[in-house]
Amino acid sequence: EPEVTQTPSHQVTQMGQEVILRCVPISNHLYFYWYRQILGQKVEFLVSFYNNEISEKSEIFDDQFSVERPDGSNFTLKIRSTKLEDSAMYFCASLRLGTGAREQYFGPGTRLTVT
Amino acid sequence: AQKITQTQPGMFVQEKEAVTLDCTYDTSDQSYGLFWYKQPSSGEMIFLIYQGSYDEQNATEGRYSLNFQKARKSANLVISASQLGDSAMYFCAMREGGTSYGKLTFGQGTILTVHP
Repeated sequence: EPEVTQTPSHQVTQMGQEVILRCVPISNHLYFYWYRQILGQKVEFLVSFYNNEISEKSEIFDDQFSVERPDGSNFTLKIRSTKLEDSAMYFCASLRLGTGAREQYFGPGTRLTVT
Repeated sequence: AQKITQTQPGMFVQEKEAVTLDCTYDTSDQSYGLFWYKQPSSGEMIFLIYQGSYDEQNATEGRYSLNFQKARKSANLVISASQLGDSAMYFCAMREGGTSYGKLTFGQGTILTVHP
């Protein structure tokens, strides 16, 4: 069964450094998302992406964040200058559009630790 | 106001028994979708079941069923015949609006522990 993949599974970085989290959505999916989950808290929406542009973003998704689909398969989340409070699990998700499409498929997550 | 409320931080159930995880939601949209996801200790998010606001029947997927009470704005997950592998965090989520691609808003989650 096709699945969303994410790399790396765990990233440790120092405060102020840039990080890029990578995702490979399911191949025939057209809508992509990033969510984050701070340890012990609920999952929060960051951004959705369709047709090479941001469709919707949350208040969390400020100028320090950016997303890109650099090629036909990868979908990336960049944090320009990480802060301690960016430490969280980051989930990528994708959605097939069209008749019957409903659930977003989540990747296994990247645990980001900012020290 | 919280859009999704899960009032049970933790639930315990005996193996082979049924358990209900509560979820209430708040929306002014007529068209919306409700989802349950399971998050085991390994961290991934696994889709379990979906209920559309216009669906007349309660959704069922194997041992999972959704007790949808629209007037009360509740969408409780029922797990029948609990198994040890059901021990996990369970999240209720909502997608507002009539499109299939809207963002998901999650509740705080309920940790389910299944005892042998």
